[in-house]
Amino acid sequence: RKEVEQDPGPFNVPEGATVAFNCTYSNSASQSFFWYRQDCRKEPKLLMSVYSSGNEDGRFTAQLNRASQYISLLIRDSKLSDSATYLCVVNEAGGGNKLTFGTGTQLKVEL
Amino acid sequence: EAGVAQSPRYKIIEKRQSVAFWCNPISGHATLYWYQQILGQGPKLLIQFQNNGVVDDSQLPKDRFSAERLKGVDSTLKIQPAKLEDSAVYLCASSLAGGGEQYFGPGTRLTVT
Repeated sequence: RKEVEQDPGPFNVPEGATVAFNCTYSNSASQSFFWYRQDCRKEPKLLMSVYSSGNEDGRFTAQLNRASQYISLLIRDSKLSDSATYLCVVNEAGGGNKLTFGTGTQLKVEL
Repeated sequence: EAGVAQSPRYKIIEKRQSVAFWCNPISGHATLYWYQQILGQGPKLLIQFQNNGVVDDSQLPKDRFSAERLKGVDSTLKIQPAKLEDSAVYLCASSLAGGGEQYFGPGTRLTVT
């Protein structure tokens, strides 16, 4: 089983739609969780951290379910500019605080 | 604030040749990472430095890859000799502390022919 697993997509959605991505992780001792965004041929950038209580930043909502070992990202009112790859990232427990990236989920928002 | 700098941005070499990449992290960031990102995959950690010490190099192919961070600031990653499967984007990232938000450089796109 992969350490961090995501559906690669692509998710093709119309502008204004709501879209949700899920990610599962294998290490139950993982400490912290993030969503990064990566535009085509660009470097990844932090989108948001994922807290146990869930967190919201404008149109973006992230949730963590430790019992089922998955995290989610919800994007409301999708914009064309949201088109990108969304990387699920898990901070593995243990020395060094190593971040493990999923393969990413590609989102394409269309007119 | 200046971001993470990397050079070169692009490199094309033949298999069995050597190549080196350079990274200058954000000023004050103690932790530096090198990642390999193959097309269609997420970044894979190659090596993590805390100041000038290695924290994790478990996924670094040590028979051909080497990295150093002298003086705990900038870093170089070397591949010698290169193989076709080394074609990828090599990303450098830095953070204030291990496990926190990582800031990535623009990457070096390596093509091995």
